[in-house]
Amino acid sequence: DAGITQSPRHKVTETGTPVTLRCHQTENHRYMYWYRQDPGHGLRLIHYSYGVKDTDKGEVSDGYSVSRSKTEDFLLTLESATSSQTSVYFCAISESNRGPLNYGYTFGSGTRLTVV
Amino acid sequence: GQNIDQPTEMTATEGAIVQINCTYQTSGFNGLFWYQQHAGEAPTFLSYNVLDGLEEKGRFSSFLSRSKGYSYLLLKELQMKDSASYLCAVRVDRGSTLGRLYFGRGTQLTVWP
Repeated sequence: DAGITQSPRHKVTETGTPVTLRCHQTENHRYMYWYRQDPGHGLRLIHYSYGVKDTDKGEVSDGYSVSRSKTEDFLLTLESATSSQTSVYFCAISESNRGPLNYGYTFGSGTRLTVV
Repeated sequence: GQNIDQPTEMTATEGAIVQINCTYQTSGFNGLFWYQQHAGEAPTFLSYNVLDGLEEKGRFSSFLSRSKGYSYLLLKELQMKDSASYLCAVRVDRGSTLGRLYFGRGTQLTVWP
């Protein structure tokens, strides 16, 4: 299995507080992604990274920021948590984005975040 | 954006065959993935198609028609453990979205005894 871990696995936080979720990989993969998954919406991309200090926005980036200071860590921060950010958050890694081969994603186990 | 459609729910009985369809409209298409996701768990890779045709892997097969923007996942000899959500995802290689995957909303399959 690809070495990818997310922490925490579960978190309950109050509206207005900042929250940081961590994704850690031991595969030295260049590409890392943060998704949220909600009923009726499927997986939606929040932010992604193509390398250290190289990040970009996805489809639902408002209210979120990311940082990648090391290859192995990709942090997602909810700057001021709102109830609409209650969701399951998945981190994913990918070996490459080029070539004809199967470069799909490997997902972490997810973080279930509840904002009350 | 990308338009990826798949049925929301399907049911089948143990031992049967089920086909889950996925249609897509996107530019920069460069492959289609199927993932399986059990409740409360992460999605796991099932199959990948980039050329037209059928890819077979044990009880699971996946088909792609690029000209029709259509794929299906075929599950044979269904088992109770196949009850899960099946996610269709297209890979887009276009400008800044190089290599990104866009996911459908998933099809929840329930297998009955």
